[in-house]
Amino acid sequence: EVQLVESGGGLVQPGGSLRLSCVASGFTLSRYWMHWVRQAPGEGLVWVSRINSDGSTIDYADSVKGRFTISRDNAENTLYLQMNSLRVEDTAFYYCARDDRSGLYGDYVGYWGQGTLVTVSS
Amino acid sequence: EIVMTQSPDSLAVSLGERATINCKSSQSVLYSSNNKNYLAWYQQKPGLPPKLLISWASTRASGVPDRFSGSGSGTDFSLTISSLQAEDVAVYYCHQYYSPPLTFGGGTKVEIK
Repeated sequence: EVQLVESGGGLVQPGGSLRLSCVASGFTLSRYWMHWVRQAPGEGLVWVSRINSDGSTIDYADSVKGRFTISRDNAENTLYLQMNSLRVEDTAFYYCARDDRSGLYGDYVGYWGQGTLVTVSS
Repeated sequence: EIVMTQSPDSLAVSLGERATINCKSSQSVLYSSNNKNYLAWYQQKPGLPPKLLISWASTRASGVPDRFSGSGSGTDFSLTISSLQAEDVAVYYCHQYYSPPLTFGGGTKVEIK
């Protein structure tokens, strides 16, 4: 069974940093593109970033480019999101997600974690 | 960036009746080399992560009831629930994976009338 478990969320002041982790199990992480998607409380889904299987291709939403860094450690079955220069508008649940199928090219998200809440407030 | 616009924002449908949600992309998500539309639909219930319903505009995910169907091509797409059930109350999102940055529609809330 595919499982994605996020951690690292919490309360942080504007301008601060936070690193989210997502531990994957039930599949071989190194075969899949992975994503971060966020959702502010009561709002819609916003795609944040994705990374290919070996980390050589990375894409970001314009709203986080230059502030957030996605990375992965396939040996540790873990995906990361380093978030710097956090803003109040970054407050959201952050979901770790996996492409539905393995492959060279990015695909649609097929599996989601339960999410971790990041609150940016003074 | 491809902007995804869903309509309506919400709709209330009687049990057993049809519900249709529309999604329009600001540019085509049809990839000519394989004739596939890079469009997916997700269902999200309160307090839960989204669940994949449809990929490639019209391919139902494993285990999704056949009352859910997707249609459309290019820039205009629809998700139809042919006979609304109580468990279908949720927010539905369209999503393009044609080109980064990937984007979602704003969501459509489906309720029982």
